[in-house]
Amino acid sequence: AQKVTQAQTEISVVEKEDVTLDCVYETRDTTYYLFWYKQPPSGELVFLIRRNSFDEQNEISGRYSWNFQKSTSSFNFTITASQVVDSAVYFCALSGPMDSNYQLIWGAGTKLIIKP
Amino acid sequence: SQTIHQWPATLVQPVGSPLSLECTVEGTSNPNLYWYRQAAGRGLQLLFYSVGIGQISSEVPQNLSASRPQDRQFILSSKKLLLSDSGFYLCAWSRRSGNTIYFGEGSWLTVV
Repeated sequence: AQKVTQAQTEISVVEKEDVTLDCVYETRDTTYYLFWYKQPPSGELVFLIRRNSFDEQNEISGRYSWNFQKSTSSFNFTITASQVVDSAVYFCALSGPMDSNYQLIWGAGTKLIIKP
Repeated sequence: SQTIHQWPATLVQPVGSPLSLECTVEGTSNPNLYWYRQAAGRGLQLLFYSVGIGQISSEVPQNLSASRPQDRQFILSSKKLLLSDSGFYLCAWSRRSGNTIYFGEGSWLTVV
């Protein structure tokens, strides 16, 4: 069975601190995809990144970075020098191969609060 | 570029009244379309998805239904709303050959 666990329900840090959001997944597929989405207070879910199971290279985009480790079934998300605008709920998600029905298995989300 | 819009943005409806939420996608053809619900403080629940006109798959049996009358239009409906239908409803799309899902702005529904 497929499963995504985001054990951190809520994280609160002071602005400019670095923060890491954890995501652990379970799947029997050899080909799969992992995603991160951001949901700011306005509600709209914003796609951040997709990573396939064959690409374990870490990804960096500005202050955002992602660490994919198949050995620990984790796809963690780090925000460097956090800002108040980073405050949001962040969701990790998993999908199977491209020829599946493209449905995502969602984590419960981590609420990130950045204090000024 | 592709865009997705859904409306209305907010809705307050009495119990037993009907519901219609609409969603349209622009800038792409033959998308997969989705309706998700997010109850307050909870995660995302897939309600319906569609791979083509008139093709609807329901993930959770409930008081809601979906229709896809046109390629890029997806409608979420109910004949009689329940209090438990309150929540945040999100329409989304993905390319037919892709699995990245892109979301609309969402609709806040409060059933009173």
